[in-house]
Amino acid sequence: QLQLQESGPGLLKPSETLSLTCTVSGTSISSRDYDWGWIRQAPGKGLEWIGNIYYSGRTYYNMSLKSRVTMSVDTSKSQFSLELSSVTAADTAVYYCARWGPGGSDWDVGSFDYWGQGILVTVSS
Amino acid sequence: SYELTQPPSVSVSPGQTANITCSGDKLGDEYVSWYQQKPGQTPLLVIYRDSQRPSGIPERFTGSNSGHTATLTISGTQALDEADYYCQTCDINSVVFGGGTKLAVL
Repeated sequence: QLQLQESGPGLLKPSETLSLTCTVSGTSISSRDYDWGWIRQAPGKGLEWIGNIYYSGRTYYNMSLKSRVTMSVDTSKSQFSLELSSVTAADTAVYYCARWGPGGSDWDVGSFDYWGQGILVTVSS
Repeated sequence: SYELTQPPSVSVSPGQTANITCSGDKLGDEYVSWYQQKPGQTPLLVIYRDSQRPSGIPERFTGSNSGHTATLTISGTQALDEADYYCQTCDINSVVFGGGTKLAVL
């Protein structure tokens, strides 16, 4: 059964770097059929896409966050990761990792079909 | 940047049909997906590629997309359908979510 699990610190101070990892089980993260993505949701707010990554390392980022976001993938560990630098209180949110299909060259007709449970990250001094 | 507009809230009586709209420039030229999110839960994909239902999603959920508007229709709405619903599409190298619609089953 496909599962995604987010992990990382739940509390950060302003100006620190948020680092989260998503561990994928039940399927191959190296599949050519899927991308892997991060989405966040601030308290009481809607969904905000952060970015997608393909097993090859190809990335797409939300332009509003691009200057602060780095995503990476480690196929040997079946994990992909998110780094968001210079965080502020506005980055407080539940962060979800999710599978996006189809991926690769057909990615722009896809959707997020499996989601992790989400991890709450709070930025506070 | 591309924007998707949804009504903040929609109300429906149990057993009736709920229509949740999602508007964007030439949206009909792109595929739209819909997600259901109940309080405290993870979003659930209920419609992809405009009108396709993932396995396990009830037939009362249908989708359409034409012109500048995509619509999620819930027929015979049940109390358990009360949730936030988000539309989603793709723009150039990006994923876009609508602001979400709170469906109240009254």
